[in-house]
Amino acid sequence: DGGITQSPKYLFRKEGQNVTLSCEQNLNHDAMYWYRQDPGQGLRLIYYSQIVNDFQKGDIAEGYSVSREKKESFPLTVTSAQKNPTAFYLCASSPVGQLAKNIQYFGAGTRLSVL
Amino acid sequence: QQQVKQSPQSLIVQKGGISIINCAYENTAFDYFPWYQQFPGKGPALLIAIRPDVSEKKEGRFTISFNKSAKQFSLHIMDSQPGDSATYFCAALQGAQKLVFGQGTRLTINP
Repeated sequence: DGGITQSPKYLFRKEGQNVTLSCEQNLNHDAMYWYRQDPGQGLRLIYYSQIVNDFQKGDIAEGYSVSREKKESFPLTVTSAQKNPTAFYLCASSPVGQLAKNIQYFGAGTRLSVL
Repeated sequence: QQQVKQSPQSLIVQKGGISIINCAYENTAFDYFPWYQQFPGKGPALLIAIRPDVSEKKEGRFTISFNKSAKQFSLHIMDSQPGDSATYFCAALQGAQKLVFGQGTRLTINP
């Protein structure tokens, strides 16, 4: 059953705590992405990675960190420096290449709330 | 210049009517324009997409109209059904670069 798996579905963060959101894909896609979605707003890009061991900052990277040690996995850490972390976080993946449509496939999301 | 502006923010349509959502962009280097559909608590799913060398693409009840000279594109949902109630996002892609998303339109189809 191919797809993108995000876990957990719901996550609560205490003041000053770092939390890590998991994203795993078995679509053999090279590129992976993290987006943040706030109510009534569009998707804003946090980080993306087009190849293992390499990643780029998106539009709102401050307070977040990522790693890409394996092709299948792209975890996102929400650090204590992110002062307003409450949001719906979406992971996506896509093929990369001239002939590929670069269409992004999304996971079901993780809803992060602050205690 | 990297923005995609989407309107309206919310839309209410009667069952059987036509839903129309509009998007506009500035960057002429964008070369792929997908639309995503998102249900509450779920991730967005690709609905339909178009390249700028085509003026219209139809898939079932969903049609994208593309106006290259005006730098605008729109999604039309014919015979709208309550099951179409969702948030719709337009997006634009330049080559292998990241997708740029519109702000989203919350569509409600009244039975």
